[in-house]
Amino acid sequence: NAGVTQTPKFRVLKTGQSMTLLCAQDMNHEYMYWYRQDPGMGLRLIHYSVGEGTTAKGEVPDGYNVSRLKKQNFLLGLESAAPSQTSVYFCASSPRVRPQHFGDGTRLSIL
Amino acid sequence: KQEVTQIPAALSVPEGENLVLNCSFTDSAIYNLQWFRQDPGKGLTSLLLIQSSQREQTSGRLNASLDKSSGRSTLYIAASQPGDSATYLCAGGRDDKIIFGKGTRLHILP
Repeated sequence: NAGVTQTPKFRVLKTGQSMTLLCAQDMNHEYMYWYRQDPGMGLRLIHYSVGEGTTAKGEVPDGYNVSRLKKQNFLLGLESAAPSQTSVYFCASSPRVRPQHFGDGTRLSIL
Repeated sequence: KQEVTQIPAALSVPEGENLVLNCSFTDSAIYNLQWFRQDPGKGLTSLLLIQSSQREQTSGRLNASLDKSSGRSTLYIAASQPGDSATYLCAGGRDDKIIFGKGTRLHILP
């Protein structure tokens, strides 16, 4: 049972480049979340989804887009990466509104 | 706006001691409160979840309490061990979103 899998684990981008982070869960959870974690700022919610085909904005959604075309996958996109988006990104899933299962994170550096 | 505060930001205690980590929140309408552990370079692992109708939850050497009226939760760790060294985060919220505290970095001294 893989749980929550994030791809890739590490990435370095140049300012202005685009990329997509993939989150996959095999627990049939309805809810999925994307967070970023920065030193001194804690975990902040970027976007979330309460079911297939639905998405909603979190605390810091600007500069990011998401899609939930399949129940098991939640994609986070950066259309034009900025140095301020350098962070560790975590995906989580839950059968209810309580993130209980986290991925190991994606470390993203924007140069 | 919901705010979650954890004090202290860091804590070092000798092995074997009992300790308490504190979490305070501003929104008393939260429906549950969760404690997580995070090891360096890793994701979060759920430790305990307290529903709003409950006062506490226990798992092994861990006990978490919730007092919604005062906006406080505590995580009690009994007989601490070096393997307990990690960052502990609490998270509370309502509706479809939760807010995390910034965590307490715990170091158990051998």
